[in-house]
Amino acid sequence: AQSVTQPDIHITVSEGASLELRCNYSYGATPYLFWYVQSPGQGLQLLLKYFSGDTLVQGIKGFEAEFKRSQSSFNLRKPSVHWSDAAEYFCAVGAGGGTSGTYKYIFGTGTRLKVLA
Amino acid sequence: EAQVTQNPRYLITVTGKKLTVTCSQNMNHEYMSWYRQDPGLGLRQIYYSMNVEVTDKGDVPEGYKVSRKEKRNFPLILESPSPNQTSLYFCASSPRTAYYGYTFGSGTRLTVV
Repeated sequence: AQSVTQPDIHITVSEGASLELRCNYSYGATPYLFWYVQSPGQGLQLLLKYFSGDTLVQGIKGFEAEFKRSQSSFNLRKPSVHWSDAAEYFCAVGAGGGTSGTYKYIFGTGTRLKVLA
Repeated sequence: EAQVTQNPRYLITVTGKKLTVTCSQNMNHEYMSWYRQDPGLGLRQIYYSMNVEVTDKGDVPEGYKVSRKEKRNFPLILESPSPNQTSLYFCASSPRTAYYGYTFGSGTRLTVV
């Protein structure tokens, strides 16, 4: 069965420090991979996505993510965290499609990021 | 501006009183979906729709109904709300293929007392 695992429920980093949020997925083929951010009281916003090509993808707000097929991982990184990055981050897999056109997004349970001044 | 609009943002209701949460998108997206978000459980899909008049159950459909009479609208109906449906609800839409990812609404915080 398809699944997405975000092993860290909470992460705390100091402002200016680097950040890596982990995401592992289970899927039979190479899926569409996404990272979303949810600021307090807001909906989810797409940070970046990957399907094929270069395994390091750049997103908005200075984020990047690296796809590693051998580890079934799609970790999110940022070199220097800003206080405004405090939010909840969701990894997601887009699975399905094909001739039926039916597809589904599967979300991880999220990682809440706290940034210390 | 391309967006998904949900209404209301906040709603407090009583057990058993039917309610509808509206969702509308202006991007001509084929795919629309409803999720509920609960602490520790992440986002769980309630219903989704691949196109007009085509809807299907997600992972937690019990107690909910949807309809897709027009491409832009996808209302969520709770015929007889119960306290365990207290949650944060999100509507989302995307084009025909999964490649693009979702555009989410701002959410509806529902409390059933």
